[in-house]
Amino acid sequence: DTEVTQTPKHLVMGMTNKKSLKCEQHMGHRAMYWYKQKAKKPPELMFVYSYEKLSINESVPSRFSPECPNSSLLNLHLHALQPEDSALYLCASSQGSGSTDTQYFGPGTRLTVL
Amino acid sequence: GQNIDQPTEMTATEGAIVQINCTYQTSGFNGLFWYQQHAGEAPTFLSYNVLDGLEEKGRFSSFLSRSKGYSYLLLKELQMKDSASYLCAVRGASGGSYIPTFGRGTSLIVHP
Repeated sequence: DTEVTQTPKHLVMGMTNKKSLKCEQHMGHRAMYWYKQKAKKPPELMFVYSYEKLSINESVPSRFSPECPNSSLLNLHLHALQPEDSALYLCASSQGSGSTDTQYFGPGTRLTVL
Repeated sequence: GQNIDQPTEMTATEGAIVQINCTYQTSGFNGLFWYQQHAGEAPTFLSYNVLDGLEEKGRFSSFLSRSKGYSYLLLKELQMKDSASYLCAVRGASGGSYIPTFGRGTSLIVHP
């Protein structure tokens, strides 16, 4: 089983709303990632959690707040977003974050900020 | 840092063979990935090369030459469903991080 699930599939929110994106995997992977992808662009790394600890934050604005409650779950809390934050948000996981690990991606959440 | 280059778009005919190239420059090298991504969907893992040579997996093959900083993805017996974006991702070894960096992707259009 190489499944990573994400909810919701689609989300529309206003600039004053607070919402959360959720990601789950049951493969026993210890590294989880958030990526942002705009149309016709490659995925851009936002955050990496390794063994439930934030290991990489790619200078993401504070209106995006990640959380890793346990080894299977990864959340992305959203607050006061801007229209330019509209994108596909992808979660991925891998066995670890070492030199031989392959990332597996979830289906993504399509976010629209009005 | 890493620099990854692949063509923006390619077209091919159903049943044909197409080769999608990827060239890269990286400080340290720890493998190259190919992913397939249909519009609005998540990238799907296709292949991983870390040693020179050809890896074959069904209709898809991936080749790597580390000395040339070059890889290609070969798709045989093309089907309409192969129309998608193909992302090349390179894992370097920058600052102890082994997170792959993605290229811009090659949009493949398969027509009848």
